[in-house]
Amino acid sequence: GAVVSQHPSWVICKSGTSVKIECRSLDFQATTMFWYRQFPKQSLMLMATSNEGSKATYEQGVEKDKFLINHASLTLSTLTVTSAHPEDSSFYICSAPPTGKGGNTEAFFGQGTRLTVV
Amino acid sequence: AQTVTQSQPEMSVQEAETVTLSCTYDTSESDYYLFWYKQPPSRQMILVIRQEAYKQQNATENRFSVNFQKAAKSFSLKISDSQLGDAAMYFCAYRSAFGTASKLTFGTGTRLQVTL
Repeated sequence: GAVVSQHPSWVICKSGTSVKIECRSLDFQATTMFWYRQFPKQSLMLMATSNEGSKATYEQGVEKDKFLINHASLTLSTLTVTSAHPEDSSFYICSAPPTGKGGNTEAFFGQGTRLTVV
Repeated sequence: AQTVTQSQPEMSVQEAETVTLSCTYDTSESDYYLFWYKQPPSRQMILVIRQEAYKQQNATENRFSVNFQKAAKSFSLKISDSQLGDAAMYFCAYRSAFGTASKLTFGTGTRLQVTL
């Protein structure tokens, strides 16, 4: 089946530094990718929609200057957490529906990134 | 905006027994897709089953089946012959049928325990 690779799986960074998370579709093209955030024992909350070749669309309440999204190609989207603080510690998950398929095509998920800011 | 509600934070089932997880949703759209995802301790999201709203027939995948009641906006998941490996968080999710790539809206999840 289709595979979405997310890297790194976990990262620890110091407060004030920036962290980049990559999301790659390995065997299909995705003009759109989604970034979710999941706090412990909670659901996945959509942060933003990443669009290849154009600006990302952010959900209400998500700081676009803090969570920079770049969709550089049809197989790669990156999420950069800038000036990270302990409250940014969370589990970040990307997903990608294959481009060109019907609406019933499932969105494949990356394995997630556990970010800890110390 | 669409909302998805899972009213059971935790459920428990004995191995080999059957359990039903509840999900209700709210939408004004007529066409959409509903999903159940499993999230084991690894936290990898795994698709369990999907249902297309315009199909009246309930979806089934081996031991997993759904009871889709469109008028009641209900979408429950039945797991038959429960196995230890079924223990996980289960999320119900909604996606609009409009557009080529729509976002998923998730419920709050149900943690399923499977006991011997």
